[in-house]
This record gives sequence, structure tokens and C-alpha cells, in this order.
Amino acid sequence: GAVVSQHPSRVICKSGTSVKIECRSLDFQATTMFWYRQFPKQSLMLMATSNEGSKATYEQGVEKDKFLINHASLTLSTLTVTSAHPEDSSFYICSALAGGRGTGELFFGEGSRLTVL
Amino acid sequence: GESVGLHLPTLSVQEGDNSIINCAYSNSASDYFIWYKQESGKGPQFIIDIRSNMDKRQGQRVTVLLNKTVKHLSLQIAATQPGDSAVYFCAENIGNTGNQFYFGTGTSLTVIP
Repeated sequence: GAVVSQHPSRVICKSGTSVKIECRSLDFQATTMFWYRQFPKQSLMLMATSNEGSKATYEQGVEKDKFLINHASLTLSTLTVTSAHPEDSSFYICSALAGGRGTGELFFGEGSRLTVL
Repeated sequence: GESVGLHLPTLSVQEGDNSIINCAYSNSASDYFIWYKQESGKGPQFIIDIRSNMDKRQGQRVTVLLNKTVKHLSLQIAATQPGDSAVYFCAENIGNTGNQFYFGTGTSLTVIP
């Protein structure tokens, strides 16, 4: 089946630094990927839609300058948390749609746990 | 995002019993739904999906029921096993807004051996 890989799986950084998380579709091309954020014992919150070759679409309330998204190829999207602060500590999960809407599956990566000290 | 909520945040069942997890959604334009299972520290795993032109869909040990009249979705797991213990989410896709999926609150299922 389709596989989505995230890297790193865990990262710890100091407050004020920037952290980049990669999301790759390993055996299929994904023109659209999605980034979610999940706090402990809570649901996944959609942050943004990453579109290959164009700007990401952010959900209401998500700071685009804080969470930079780049979708440079059909198999790679990156999320950069800029000037990270402790409140940015969270589980970040990406997903990619294999196949068209309503016909394909939405595959998720294993998540990246960010801890900001 | 749209409001997609679950009625029960936790559910405990005996091994071998059937489990029913419920989900309510608020947007009548939602036309595609997916149930996901998430184990601790991992990403969600696809379980089963259903389109709004269907009322029921069955998979291996799982059945999803969709009631568009009351905007309600349920996931039934037959003969629940300890390996089914996880958090279950329903996610909805709104027909005319692209490929975004919005997740419900989640239900934590615990299977008692």
C-alpha cells in the first residue's frame, strides 16, 4: 500500500530556533499534501493544504509566517516551524491523497513530535 | 474547519463483543467520510470510508453506517480484539471545497481481555 514517511520522528529544539519537518510519499505522487497538528489526547487539527508548485492554503487561525510550507516536488512537502516556542510543542502529522477525492485514500505519516525547550 | 464531534470520548468493551463508535457532523455538504484508527504515538491508519450516496459499507470486521438525515456516522467493530484498542476518529470531506479532511474529537476504545 501507499506509504508516507515523515522525518524526523522526534525533534527537540531550543526556543527561538527553526525546525523543518519533511513529508514524503514513497511510492506515489501527491500533488496535494496536508499538515495536521495534534495535542495530547486531542484530535487532529488541519493546519494547511500543501500544493505542489504553488502556495499552501492555510486554515483560519494558522499563522503562515510561523508555519512555512513548501511543496517543491510531487513527493515532498516540508513544514518549517519558525522561531519555535514552547507552545509550538506538538505532534505534527502529514498526509497525502493517493488517487482523486472520493476515490482514493488519505495516507498519513507516522508523525513528528516536536518539543521546544 | 467544520465541526465533527463524537458522542463518547471513551469506550470499554469486553474482548469478543461488538463495538459501536459514533460520530456527528455538522455540515450537510460533507459527502465523503473516513474512519481512522490511531495508536499511541503513531499516525492515523485508514479503516474504512463511505460516500454520501451510500448508507452502509462493510469491510473486514468493520461496518460504517451513514445517516445523512441526522448527520450521523457510526463504526461497528465485530468481535472486538485487544489489538483494536486505539483512538478512533471520523473525518469528513466537504464536497465543494477540495480534498481537505476535518477530524472529529476521537473516541478511545479499550478492549478488556
